[in-house]
Amino acid sequence: AQSVTQLDSQVPVFEEAPVELRCNYSSSVSVYLFWYVQYPNQGLQLLLKYLSGSTLVKGINGFEAEFNKSQTSFHLRKPSVHISDTAEYFCAVNGGSQGNLIFGKGTKLSVKP
Amino acid sequence: NAGVTQTPKFQVLKTGQSMTLQCAQDMNHNSMYWYRQDPGMGLRLIYYSASEGTTDKGEVPNGYNVSRLNKREFSLRLESAAPSQTSVYFCASSPRVGLQDTQYFGPGTRLTVL
Repeated sequence: AQSVTQLDSQVPVFEEAPVELRCNYSSSVSVYLFWYVQYPNQGLQLLLKYLSGSTLVKGINGFEAEFNKSQTSFHLRKPSVHISDTAEYFCAVNGGSQGNLIFGKGTKLSVKP
Repeated sequence: NAGVTQTPKFQVLKTGQSMTLQCAQDMNHNSMYWYRQDPGMGLRLIYYSASEGTTDKGEVPNGYNVSRLNKREFSLRLESAAPSQTSVYFCASSPRVGLQDTQYFGPGTRLTVL
């Protein structure tokens, strides 16, 4: 069964600093990978997704992620964070033939002034 | 275009009570999902509906039932609520049950079972 591991449960960072949120997945077949963001007291919204092609994927709000098949990773990066990026970030992988998403446990990004 | 809407936003139940969480989408999506979110656990799939008239169990279906009322609406029922069902419930929809499809989420229902 596929699984997703988000290596950090919390990441504190100062405003304008770069950030990387780590995600590793387990799968022996082709995968589709997603990053979702959840702002406080809201639902999830898609940041970006990798389906095929270029391994560097750009998303909304200046985020990008790199698909690394050999390391089974899909880390999320932003070169300069803002206070408004404070949220919980979820990595997800497609869950098999039914297309269900398998989510990681989430990483809480806290941006401090 | 409201996207995915959920009612109610908050609910407090006593153990043993029943309730139905409502979900509707106006994006003409075929597939709909119910998840629960617990601290440190991420989101776990309860049930999903690949298309109107079909429903299937997800990872944590025990204690829940669902109804795909029509293409727009997908409800989640707790027949006899238990404290272990205290959680935030999210409904989502996607154009189809496809590996590539983005899921669109509602704002959530915060349920407390005393």
